[in-house]
Amino acid sequence: GQQLNQSPQSMFIQEGEDVSMNCTSSSIFNTWLWYKQDPGEGPVLLIALYKAGELTSNGRLTAQFGITRKDSFLNISASIPSDVGIYFCAGQLANGNQFYFGTGTSLTVIP
Amino acid sequence: DAGVIQSPRHEVTEMGQEVTLRCKPISGHNSLFWYRQTMMRGLELLIYFNNNVPIDDSGMPEDRFSAKMPNASFSTLKIQPSEPRDSAVYFCASSARDRSTDTQYFGPGTRLTVL
Repeated sequence: GQQLNQSPQSMFIQEGEDVSMNCTSSSIFNTWLWYKQDPGEGPVLLIALYKAGELTSNGRLTAQFGITRKDSFLNISASIPSDVGIYFCAGQLANGNQFYFGTGTSLTVIP
Repeated sequence: DAGVIQSPRHEVTEMGQEVTLRCKPISGHNSLFWYRQTMMRGLELLIYFNNNVPIDDSGMPEDRFSAKMPNASFSTLKIQPSEPRDSAVYFCASSARDRSTDTQYFGPGTRLTVL
């Protein structure tokens, strides 16, 4: 299957700081999705990206579809304690149906 | 919309028993996916269906696992016989498969513990 490299694996930040994480692939993807998973829950879709270069925001979250179509970035501004969780990226090939998931970034926000 | 519904939320069983996990996708969605999540292996795609037809089951670990989708609103994942190494959280997800704007929505998961 496709390998998605997500980094960093974990982050410990102070409340109020900005956060950046990214996902890279060896393949060209047509769609990038970003999810957040809270303990004991299923992943919840945060942002969906469909065009190279696309920049999409959802509140304090902003994600970008990389120009090469092999990467994507997620930024969280002014982090708050409820941002704690695991963030996953997922990519879909141009002629594919399934999504390939990154290994996740665990975010801890220290009040 | 109620979102993707999974049952049970928790299942504890003994090795050798049959386990059946259930999923109701979002109404109108035509693709359904079963995933398994563990600390060691992360999220693994087991099988997915398009219009109730299994498309790719290459992720199904072995013959003890089987999945069915008898209609557009229901799917099951069965493990028979179950083993301790099957302990994991199993997620169902569905999508509307509109190629220009495909997304995937997850259910809350079933936490399976095999003793």
